[in-house]
Amino acid sequence: EIVMTQSPATLSVSPGERATLSCRASQSVSSNLAWYQQKPGQAPRLLIYGASTRATGIPARFSGSGSGTEFTLTISSLQSEDFAVYYCQQYNNWPRALTFGGGTKVEIK
Amino acid sequence: QVQLVQSGAEVKKPGASVKVSCKASGYTFTGYYMHWVRQAPGQGLEWMGWINPNSGGTNYAQKFQGRVTMTRDTSISTAYMELSRLRSDDTAVYYCARCMLSPFDYYGMDVWGQGTTVTVSS
Repeated sequence: EIVMTQSPATLSVSPGERATLSCRASQSVSSNLAWYQQKPGQAPRLLIYGASTRATGIPARFSGSGSGTEFTLTISSLQSEDFAVYYCQQYNNWPRALTFGGGTKVEIK
Repeated sequence: QVQLVQSGAEVKKPGASVKVSCKASGYTFTGYYMHWVRQAPGQGLEWMGWINPNSGGTNYAQKFQGRVTMTRDTSISTAYMELSRLRSDDTAVYYCARCMLSPFDYYGMDVWGQGTTVTVSS
């Protein structure tokens, strides 16, 4: 099973600043990586797939990069609505096993 | 509009089974896989498996093999997830989520249900 590790567990950022979140795979997943945002009490929302392709309706301040085992989600200028938990998900063996990372909480500094 | 509406909260005793439904509307039900993802209190997301509503084919995470059954009723555009032999650590919010029906390409889970809380307690 491919294990996804996200860091840091919690990121404290001021509104307007840049946030950089990391996701590492235990083995190469090529570009088969998605990112999701989840706010308290809500279902997750798809942000990115294919490591760098924004999903429909996702603002341009969200960008994804990386391939192989190292991935990054960057939020260029944090807005109040961006404070949430972010999860990465690998799908290298699609349509077989999918796995999520443990999440990074982005909180207000 | 496109939406997935799940059944209501459940309280079950250890050893029992639970069946959660997910009704789709606003799109062609058979054109998208339906995934089930759960989230224990204060924890992260855990993928459980998917069902292909077109063929009825399923793929379950190894952890849930033998305990989970995913089915669908295309006449009412509804997917079901049944988990048996419940334990206290099955207490979680269970989500359904769709992704495009393509065996070669994955475009992410783009629509999610509101979640169903399942509590397992004696």
